[in-house]
Amino acid sequence: GAVVSQHPSWVICKSGTSVKIECRSLDFQATTMFWYRQFPKQSLMLMATSNEGSKATYEQGVEKDKFLINHASLTLSTLTVTSAHPEDSSFYICSGLAEFWEQYFGPGTRLTVT
Amino acid sequence: AQSVTQPDIHITVSEGASLELRCNYSYGATPYLFWYVQSPGQGLQLLLKYFSGDTLVQGIKGFEAEFKRSQSSFNLRKPSVHWSDAAEYFCAVASYDKVIFGPGTSLSVIP
Repeated sequence: GAVVSQHPSWVICKSGTSVKIECRSLDFQATTMFWYRQFPKQSLMLMATSNEGSKATYEQGVEKDKFLINHASLTLSTLTVTSAHPEDSSFYICSGLAEFWEQYFGPGTRLTVT
Repeated sequence: AQSVTQPDIHITVSEGASLELRCNYSYGATPYLFWYVQSPGQGLQLLLKYFSGDTLVQGIKGFEAEFKRSQSSFNLRKPSVHWSDAAEYFCAVASYDKVIFGPGTSLSVIP
């Protein structure tokens, strides 16, 4: 199957700073990418849908000003957590959408805010 | 509203035993259904999918799933579990503009 990479795989940042997470589709073009958040022992919670060249669509309850998403090319989407706080600590996962709603997932990024 | 339920939060089976993980969905039209597996430290991997046609679908790693429209179910099965199958399993349904995931079933395998 297709490969999606995420960078970094884990990051620790101080409260109040911003951190950027990159999601790349390595061998396919992803017009649409999704960003998920996963809490321990829980399912994936969709945060936003990222479409190349247009604004992201955020799910209800997700602060668009805190979680900035940019999808500047068909192979790269970025999630920036601005003014991070300890409650933003989580596992963030991206995916690239292929045909028939099949997704290829990145390995995830563990964010810890101290 | 579309939803996915996985009644079993955690299942423990012995290695070599058969496995069935349950999934029920709520969706108005013919669904696109998926099973994904998440192993520690790894990304989600697609096991199998159903779009149309034969209601019994074969996947990777010896898994299969059966779509039953009358029961709104898409249960995952494997005849003989291996220790390496221990992981988190997610059922998912494609909605109009997104994919909705179930809460997941954690599988433990006893040697």
